[in-house]
Amino acid sequence: IAGITQAPTSQILAAGRRMTLRCTQDMRHNAMYWYRQDLGLGLRLIHYSNTAGTTGKGEVPDGYSVSRANTDDFPLTLASAVPSQTSVYFCASSVGLETDTQYFGPGTRLTVL
Amino acid sequence: SQKIEQNSEALNIQEGKTATLTCNYTNYSPAYLQWYRQDPGRGPVFLLLIRENEKEKRKERLKVTFDTTLKQSLFHITASQPADSATYLCACRVTGGGNKLTFGTGTQLKVEL
Repeated sequence: IAGITQAPTSQILAAGRRMTLRCTQDMRHNAMYWYRQDLGLGLRLIHYSNTAGTTGKGEVPDGYSVSRANTDDFPLTLASAVPSQTSVYFCASSVGLETDTQYFGPGTRLTVL
Repeated sequence: SQKIEQNSEALNIQEGKTATLTCNYTNYSPAYLQWYRQDPGRGPVFLLLIRENEKEKRKERLKVTFDTTLKQSLFHITASQPADSATYLCACRVTGGGNKLTFGTGTQLKVEL
């Protein structure tokens, strides 16, 4: 069982380019999340999805979009990347219960120049 | 909104000693707190969850306490080992936010021989 996989592992991107970070889970979890982690700021929630077909905004959603067409996949898209989006991005999933614990992917290190 | 505060300074301790990490929350008492471990270049991994009505929770060498009067959770690692060196994150559920969590910035623990 792989758990959660993310792709790519790392990416250098020119400002203004469009980029999609991929996230796939094989645990049949209902809920999925995207975070960014920056030094001194910790993990901040970008977008989330409580179940397939629904999405919601987190703490820092501007400049990002997500979709949840099925249970397993939760891609994060940067429509026009800016240098301030340089960060490490983590995808996570949880069963969807009130006392949920979250399972994290290995992360994608993104650099926007 | 709820804020989680963790000591940003690294904690250095000697092997065999007990490490104690602190997590403070600023507003309402959360229904529960979670603790995660994060190694460099990896995603966080869930360790323990403690509910508001639980004073203490244990798992092997780990112990977590929850003091609603002090608005604080303490995370203890007894008989610490160099392999315990990592960053430890505290998290609580966002009010009215379904399964969403808000994370502290984490405290880095270094266990020296």
